[in-house]
Amino acid sequence: EPEVTQTPSHQVTQMGQEVILRCVPISNHLYFYWYRQILGQKVEFLVSFYNNEISEKSEIFDDQFSVERPDGSNFTLKIRSTKLEDSAMYFCASRAGTSEPEQFFGPGTRLTVL
Amino acid sequence: GENVEQHPSTLSVQEGDSAVIKCTYSDSASNYFPWYKQELGKRPQLIIDIRSNVGEKKDQRIAVTLNKTAKHFSLHITETQPEDSAVYFCAASKALVGFQKLVFGTGTRLLVSP
Repeated sequence: EPEVTQTPSHQVTQMGQEVILRCVPISNHLYFYWYRQILGQKVEFLVSFYNNEISEKSEIFDDQFSVERPDGSNFTLKIRSTKLEDSAMYFCASRAGTSEPEQFFGPGTRLTVL
Repeated sequence: GENVEQHPSTLSVQEGDSAVIKCTYSDSASNYFPWYKQELGKRPQLIIDIRSNVGEKKDQRIAVTLNKTAKHFSLHITETQPEDSAVYFCAASKALVGFQKLVFGTGTRLLVSP
């Protein structure tokens, strides 16, 4: 069964550094999402992406964040200058199409900002 | 915006007992309600979902009910087993219209004791 994959599984970085989190959504899915989960808390929406552009973003997704689909398979989340409070698990999700509302999550990338 | 409340935050049951987790949502336009199971350090896994045109859905030992008037939906697990132990998240979305985000509840930690 196809799955969403994410790399790396764990990223440790220094405050102020840039990080890029990578996701490979399920093939032929059309809608892509990033969520984050601070340890012990609920999953929070960051951004949704469709047809090569952002369709919605949350208040968390400020100018330090960007997303890109550089080719036909990868979907990336970049944090330009990481802060301590960016430490969280970041999940990518994908969805097949309008008539199929199910979102399938990747295994996550644990980001630790020191 | 949408807000989802989830109760209880923790639930301990004996193996074989039933477990019920309840959620309420604020946006009456929400039309899709998935439930995710998250084991420690793992991705959220979709276990069941319900659409707003249905009042109840069952899949083996799990069932979900929806009361649109009261804006409540619940997860019912019967004959619980130790492997059901995990954190369960409810979510609400307007996903049947476009590519809307999921708004998650705060999670319920279910512990099933042998």
